[in-house]
Amino acid sequence: AQSVTQPDIHITVSEGASLELRCNYSYGATPYLFWYVQSPGQGLQLLLKYFSGDTLVQGIKGFEAEFKRSQSSFNLRKPSVHWSDAAEYFCAGTGGGNKLTFGTGTQLKVEL
Amino acid sequence: DAGVTQSPTHLIKTRGQQVTLRCSPISGHKSVSWYQQVLGQGPQFIFQYYEKEERGRGNFPDRFSARQFPNYSSELNVNALLLGDSALYLCASSWTGTIYSTGELFFGEGSRLTVL
Repeated sequence: AQSVTQPDIHITVSEGASLELRCNYSYGATPYLFWYVQSPGQGLQLLLKYFSGDTLVQGIKGFEAEFKRSQSSFNLRKPSVHWSDAAEYFCAGTGGGNKLTFGTGTQLKVEL
Repeated sequence: DAGVTQSPTHLIKTRGQQVTLRCSPISGHKSVSWYQQVLGQGPQFIFQYYEKEERGRGNFPDRFSARQFPNYSSELNVNALLLGDSALYLCASSWTGTIYSTGELFFGEGSRLTVL
């Protein structure tokens, strides 16, 4: 079955430190992969997406993610975290339709 | 341009009641999808509609139903509410029915349903 796994439920980083949020996928073919961010009481905002091509993708707010087929991973990174990045982050995938399969999310806390 | 709008934003119902949630997609978008997000979990796919036809259904009971109108807005109906139906219901729209052609789903801010 198609699935997306986010192993880390909570992550705490200091402001200015680097960040990496993990995402693993299980799909038969190369999936379309996404990272979304959700602030409290808000909807989902797309940070970046991978469809094909360059495996390092750049997104908004200084985020990037790298698609690694050999590891079935699509980890999200940011070199220097800001306090405003505190939110919940969701990795999602699809085989091509509009049915996204989401991970359970990683709650990011930023210490000042 | 207005984004995806959902109403109501918050509502409280009691067990056994019925609820209707509404979604207006971005202008020009023809596909609407519904997701349920239970507290502490990721969103789960409920339905997709494209050009007023159901294109996909998630693993939800028949108490859940939806429809899309000629103006591409959509309603999600849930009958015989259970405590477990308490969740944030998210609507997403896109130009077409397949994400590889549109590149993105645009999400609304959701309708938070509390069932007592």
